[in-house]
Amino acid sequence: QQQVKQSPQSLIVQKGGISIINCAYENTAFDYFPWYQQFPGKGPALLIAIRPDVSEKKEGRFTISFNKSAKQFSLHIMDSQPGDSATYFCAASDTGRRALTFGSGTRLQVQP
Amino acid sequence: GAVVSQHPSWVICKSGTSVKIECRSLDFQATTMFWYRQFPKQSLMLMATSNEGSKATYEQGVEKDKFLINHASLTLSTLTVTSAHPEDSSFYICSARDLPGLGGETQYFGPGTRLLVL
Repeated sequence: QQQVKQSPQSLIVQKGGISIINCAYENTAFDYFPWYQQFPGKGPALLIAIRPDVSEKKEGRFTISFNKSAKQFSLHIMDSQPGDSATYFCAASDTGRRALTFGSGTRLQVQP
Repeated sequence: GAVVSQHPSWVICKSGTSVKIECRSLDFQATTMFWYRQFPKQSLMLMATSNEGSKATYEQGVEKDKFLINHASLTLSTLTVTSAHPEDSSFYICSARDLPGLGGETQYFGPGTRLLVL
C-alpha cells in the first residue's frame, strides 16, 4: 500500500532533449508528491512538488504532470543539460503519516 | 532557503563501537525530523520519525535499541548507532520538516553521513 513504483531505472538523453521519468502509486491517501535530485555522495535536493488538486506544475525547465485517476505522476526535464546528470527520486506522503515514501530512483545521464 | 546540516560527514569506526550522528536545522525550527538509510545505488529507506520532546517512531524492521534517536530541541536530532557492525555501513541522511503553517510539508535533507564499520 505504501509503495511508489518508478521507471525507468536509467535514462540516457542527448543535450537539449526531454527527459521523462514516471511514477505510480497505490495509496490513495497520498496527497503530496515531490521530486528530488541527488548527486553522488550528497543528500537529495527538492526540485518540484505537486498536490493532487492540480494536474500540472511547471518551474523553469522542470514540469510535473499528475493523473489522479490513474494514480500516476511524471517529471519532465526540458532542454536537458549535462549538469542535470544525477539520480532522480519521486516520492509521496500523506498528511497523516507525513513521512516520504520514495521511488526506486532513475539515474539520468545527459550526453553532450 | 532552509538548510539542514549533518555532522560528521564521514565516519570510520571499529566493529562494536557506537557512533553518533547529528542533524541540525540551521535557519528554521523543525518539530519533526526523519532519518533515512541509503545503500549504494538504492533508494532512501525511512528508518524512523523523530518528534521533538517525544519518543521516535521506528519503521518495521528497524531495531530501536540499536539505532537510538534523540530529538531534544527544535533544531537538533541525533542518531546513535550502537555496537556498530559492518552491515551497518551505509549512507545515513536526515531530513527536517517546517513547523505546521509555514508550508510545513516540505522536507529539507541534510548532506548525509557516510558510515564505514570495519
